[in-house]
Amino acid sequence: GESVGLHLPTLSVQEGDNSIINCAYSNSASDYFIWYKQESGKGPQFIIDIRSNMDKRQGQRVTVLLNKTVKHLSLQIAATQPGDSAVYFCAETLSSGTYKYIFGTGTRLKVLA
Amino acid sequence: DARVTQTPRHKVTEMGQEVTMRCQPILGHNTVFWYRQTMMQGLELLAYFRNRAPLDDSGMPKDRFSAEMPDATLATLKIQPSEPRDSAVYFCASGSRLAGGLLSYEQYFGPGTRLTVT
Repeated sequence: GESVGLHLPTLSVQEGDNSIINCAYSNSASDYFIWYKQESGKGPQFIIDIRSNMDKRQGQRVTVLLNKTVKHLSLQIAATQPGDSAVYFCAETLSSGTYKYIFGTGTRLKVLA
Repeated sequence: DARVTQTPRHKVTEMGQEVTMRCQPILGHNTVFWYRQTMMQGLELLAYFRNRAPLDDSGMPKDRFSAEMPDATLATLKIQPSEPRDSAVYFCASGSRLAGGLLSYEQYFGPGTRLTVT
C-alpha cells in the first residue's frame, strides 16, 4: 500500500494499553472536526466527529476531546488492538461554509504485541 | 455495503501522457471530492462538486488538471500532460449534505488511484 509519510510522528503502544493521539488545528473559526483512520493501501475511514459546542464525545472504544482555547484535538483509543495500527488524521472545517476539510499531517500508530 | 469505487487502482505512465482517473460516488451522495496524497504534502483537496457542479477547484493546477462530473454516477480527474511531480495517490470521496434529514459532513473515501509518472 501507499506510504503516507516517512516522517510522520509515530506513537508506539502496547496492545491492551490506551492510546492518545494529538492534533493541533489551524483555524480558530473551524467548528466541526473529524478523526480519520487510514490503513495501508486504503482510503481514510471516518472514526468520530465533534462539533465545537462540545468538548468531549465518545464512541465505541474511542473518545475525542476538543480544547478550543488552544486549538487542540485528541483521540483516545481504549484497549488498543493490533487492528488499530494505522495513520490517524484530524480534519477541520467550517460547518456553515463550504464543506471543505483541512487535514492534519497524521500520526502513525503502531500497536506492539 | 455502499462504497466509493475508483479506477484504475494503479497507473504507471510516462511524462507527457494523459491520465484519466475515474470515481463512482456512493449512490445518492451529492458531493464529490478529489484529493491528492503525497509524503511531502499529505492530503490535499484538489476540487469538489456539489450536485455535479464544480464548487471549488482552487487546489488544482489549472493548466494540466481538469475535473468533471459527466453524470451523477461518474466523476473524472484528468491530467494532461502528466509530469513526474504528479506521482501520488489520488482519492475520491463522496458525501451528502443531508443524510437522513440531518446535515452530515462525513466524507466516504474510495481506495485511491496510485499514479506513478516516470
